[in-house]
Parts: sequence; C-alpha cells; structure tokens
Amino acid sequence: AQTVTQSQPEMSVQEAETVTLSCTYDTSENNYYLFWYKQPPSRQMILVIRQEAYKQQNATENRFSVNFQKAAKSFSLKISDSQLGDTAMYFCAFMKPSNTGNQFYFGTGTSLTVIP
Amino acid sequence: ETGVTQTPRHLVMGMTNKKSLKCEQHLGHNAMYWYKQSAKKPLELMFVYSLEERVENNSVPSRFSPECPNSSHLFLHLHTLQPEDSALYLCASSQDSGGRMNTEAFFGQGTRLTVV
Repeated sequence: AQTVTQSQPEMSVQEAETVTLSCTYDTSENNYYLFWYKQPPSRQMILVIRQEAYKQQNATENRFSVNFQKAAKSFSLKISDSQLGDTAMYFCAFMKPSNTGNQFYFGTGTSLTVIP
Repeated sequence: ETGVTQTPRHLVMGMTNKKSLKCEQHLGHNAMYWYKQSAKKPLELMFVYSLEERVENNSVPSRFSPECPNSSHLFLHLHTLQPEDSALYLCASSQDSGGRMNTEAFFGQGTRLTVV
C-alpha cells in the first residue's frame, strides 16, 4: 500500500516571502504521479502542480515549484513571493495509474497562512 | 470551477433520514470517486467507478450506497447514518489512461454533511 506523509500540520509565512511544504511517500511502484492540491476555504480542491515520476526535472508552475527526490521519496512544494490568496490547506497526493480506476492517496494536509 | 459539480453544498439530516448526494462531471472523464474528508485525517477513498463499474469499495458501511447511472453522474445514497459520519464528502473524476498524460483528479466543492 502507498502512504503519504505531511509532517507539518500548520505553517505560516510573511507575504512576499518563500515557504516550503514537505511531503514524503512510501511506494514500491516505479510508475506513478505526484500532485500538490490546494483547498481554500471555499473547499474546492484545486491542482497546483503535477510531477511524473519518470521525469527527473522538477515541475514548475509560476510561483510554485517542487523538489522531487525520487530515491528519497520526497516531494516538497516551494511557494515563492507568497500572496494572501495562497492561504489554504495544501495536500500532497500520490497516484498510481490504472485502467480500472487511478488510485489516489492523500496526506493529512498542511494549513498555510500567509500573513500580511 | 473545475467541471465537477456537487449538490447540495450543505446537508443536515437525522439518523433515520434517507438522503442522496449528487455529483456531475462535464469533463468527459471515465472514472469517478467519492471521498470522505474529516478533520486531521487523510482523504478517505470510499468508492471508485471506472466506466460505470464499481472497481473499489474500501470497506465502507452499507449505510452508504453509491450509484453510477452513466459516466457523467455519481450518487451517494445515505440512510440511517451516525453522527460520526458527519464530514465533507468530495466527489472527483479523472481520465483513466493506463499511465498516459493528464490523469489528475478534478474535485467538486463538496457536500458538508451533518448528522444529528
């Protein structure tokens, strides 16, 4: 079975600063995907960034980037130039692809507060 | 808006009531999921439907009954629930492609269920 661990239940960052959220996972699979999702108070889970395990290059989406360490099974999210709208719960997720229902596994989340 | 719509947004029901949650996706995906989100816990996968066939039921109590009449609609029928079933219920969809691209899960806004 796959497990995803987020060891930081809560974090805060000053506006315009940089923050890194940690995620580790455990799997014996070789082909998988990793995601960071954001859940603001509106409750809609929104995809922030995606990483394919077979790609060594770290994914980047504007102010969001990841540090993917496959051997260490680590997948941290870096948010640069933090904005008030980044305040949300952030979930790390592991996905094992399948033709009979992709299997997603989520961490417990990190609550991020951006302080003005 | 992610293309996945859930109704109702909020639901309060007694332990003897029968109610249903509805999920609709407009993304042409072939897999749909029900998740339960409780505070300080990872998202719990309840049911997976792929091509309208249920492929996974993670030992969910029989008081939860899913229905997938077609690839765009998913229901969760509720009856004789317990107060500990109070949670946010999230619906998601994805395109199962055996590991090919664009396979993240798209989520609805959830139904906040309170059992009294």
